[in-house]
Amino acid sequence: NAGVTQTPKFRVLKTGQSMTLLCAQDMNHEYMYWYRQDPGMGLRLIHYSVGEGTTAKGEVPDGYNVSRLKKQNFLLGLESAAPSQTSVYFCASRSGTRSYNEQFFGPGTRLTVL
Amino acid sequence: KQEVTQIPAALSVPEGENLVLNCSFTDSAIYNLQWFRQDPGKGLTSLLLIQSSQREQTSGRLNASLDKSSGRSTLYIAASQPGDSATYLCAVMPGNQFYFGTGTSLTVIP
Repeated sequence: NAGVTQTPKFRVLKTGQSMTLLCAQDMNHEYMYWYRQDPGMGLRLIHYSVGEGTTAKGEVPDGYNVSRLKKQNFLLGLESAAPSQTSVYFCASRSGTRSYNEQFFGPGTRLTVL
Repeated sequence: KQEVTQIPAALSVPEGENLVLNCSFTDSAIYNLQWFRQDPGKGLTSLLLIQSSQREQTSGRLNASLDKSSGRSTLYIAASQPGDSATYLCAVMPGNQFYFGTGTSLTVIP
């Protein structure tokens, strides 16, 4: 049982390049989340999904797109990377059966945009 | 919009001391509150989750309390150990989203 995994672990991009971050979970969770963590800002929600085929905007969605084609995967895309998107990105998931179900986090992806 | 605050931002204590970490939130309409631990360069590990109908939860040396009406939660750590050194974050869930505080960085000195 791997839990929540994220690919890649590290990435360096140049301004304007695109990339996709992959999050996978093997716990059959309905809810999945993408956060970014910046010094002094805490974790901020980018996008989330309440089930396969659904996505919704979080607190800081601009510059990002997401897709949830399969229940176990949640993809985060940067179409044209900017230095302001330099951050650590975390994916999380939780079961949707009860409101008190815990969130489980992946190990993070450290992204640097030059 | 829900605002979550954690004070202090950093705390240093000698080994063996009992300590309390604080979390406050502006909107009391929440489903639950979750406490996490984060080690440097790592992801978040769930410590405790308190449902909105509960007053406290305990796990080992950890005890978390929730006072929804005042918008406050505390995480009590008994008999602190150097291995407890980490950043502790709280998060509240008013709907489908979670809102996080900026964390308290704890250092336990041997």
